[in-house]
Amino acid sequence: DSGVTQTPKHLITATGQRVTLRCSPRSGDLSVYWYQQSLDQGLQFLIHYYNGEERAKGNILERFSAQQFPDLHSELNLSSLELGDSALYFCASSVQGYNEQFFGPGTRLTVL
Amino acid sequence: DQQVKQNSPSLSVQEGRISILNCDYTNSMFDYFLWYKKYPAEGPTFLISISSIKDKNEDGRFTVFLNKSAKHLSLHIVPSQPGDSAVYFCAASGNYGGSQGNLIFGKGTKLSVKP
Repeated sequence: DSGVTQTPKHLITATGQRVTLRCSPRSGDLSVYWYQQSLDQGLQFLIHYYNGEERAKGNILERFSAQQFPDLHSELNLSSLELGDSALYFCASSVQGYNEQFFGPGTRLTVL
Repeated sequence: DQQVKQNSPSLSVQEGRISILNCDYTNSMFDYFLWYKKYPAEGPTFLISISSIKDKNEDGRFTVFLNKSAKHLSLHIVPSQPGDSAVYFCAASGNYGGSQGNLIFGKGTKLSVKP
């Protein structure tokens, strides 16, 4: 158990809908990262937050957004969903200044 | 353009023997490298890492070797055990541009250790 929690574990929705994925980092970690893993791709970095502020963006679509709250949990919002958004979404957390990131169990999103 | 490449999608090894997983990278700004292990339906688990100022790091049965001139790293598992069967991901990071430590992953190598 990495100490990173993600909810929900599975999510099934329809095209055009909007969903919110939630992540709680390990106790004491201020950095939260979001990654997407689709069938034909490896893990792709989406976005990084540190102590409530956005630090870096990867290949994140404009339909996707994220935020980190004062209690350090983070939410990833996916809107106007398309079939191609079906993937595993992982959250990871780390201690500032350390490269090792610890991953949650992921949320499997299926868009029908 | 893949900056981190794992050219072997799969590897099969006999229990007790050495497993060698390879990884190549193209971005010379990477300064930290990590290996993760992933079981189906679980998140990646951190295994071992190495800074670019070192060429070897060891932790129990796991050793990572870094060859900066060749932009190549490898993970050695000795001896291999059936419980090591999983997908192994190589990842790299560096503080350049807007990277801020985010990880760039290879596509993984599926290791099967046969009893």
